Amino acid sequence: SAVISQKPSRDICQRGTSLTIQCQVDSQVTMMFWYRQQPGQSLTLIATANQGSEATYESGFVIDKFPISRPNLTFSTLTVSNMSPEDSSIYLCSAERDRGTEAFFGQGTRLTVV
Amino acid sequence: RKEVEQDPGPFNVPEGATVAFNCTYSNSASQSFFWYRQDCRKEPKLLMSVYSSGNEDGRFTAQLNRASQYISLLIRDSKLSDSATYLCVVNPYNTDKLIFGTGTRLQVFP
Repeated sequence: SAVISQKPSRDICQRGTSLTIQCQVDSQVTMMFWYRQQPGQSLTLIATANQGSEATYESGFVIDKFPISRPNLTFSTLTVSNMSPEDSSIYLCSAERDRGTEAFFGQGTRLTVV
Repeated sequence: RKEVEQDPGPFNVPEGATVAFNCTYSNSASQSFFWYRQDCRKEPKLLMSVYSSGNEDGRFTAQLNRASQYISLLIRDSKLSDSATYLCVVNPYNTDKLIFGTGTRLQVFP
């Protein structure tokens, strides 16, 4: 398994501002992902964070709104830009040691936009 | 049809009961299957991988039926601490990403 530290654990932000969430893994991993989870819903994949190149976004998510960095094999950030109340959600990072293997998750960031 | 479908529940069972969850997946070429557990306001955690031959871990048994494209999770002798949401997860054709079901909520009562 891998230990993933995600921060902040929660934040309350003003609309129009941006928040950057950080995810640190305790060992090198092949894959890192960012998810969003609305209350009572399942996880929705935002994007795959690619090391050294642009992230791969899922339908409905764009780089301008959710810029992602992954400078190395253990660290990634997700920025939620120009926030609106609709962005209020839990954001989770995950990592897989190898493609298609089990995923491990950070503790999540509970974001509230007011 | 959704890629991964689960009965959302909730399943309300007494302590000691046996409960089973099913999950169906649409991509017949899917290779990897998992059950995750998610407690309220917590991140999902891997409960067990699901192997073709079926596998057991204590009170938990997972089975895969490729012909019918479903996965099951059986929990025997339910404990109060088993109360959580159980997520069925599929990796279709060894792509990069995992597909999560919406989860089945289990509530075990005394």
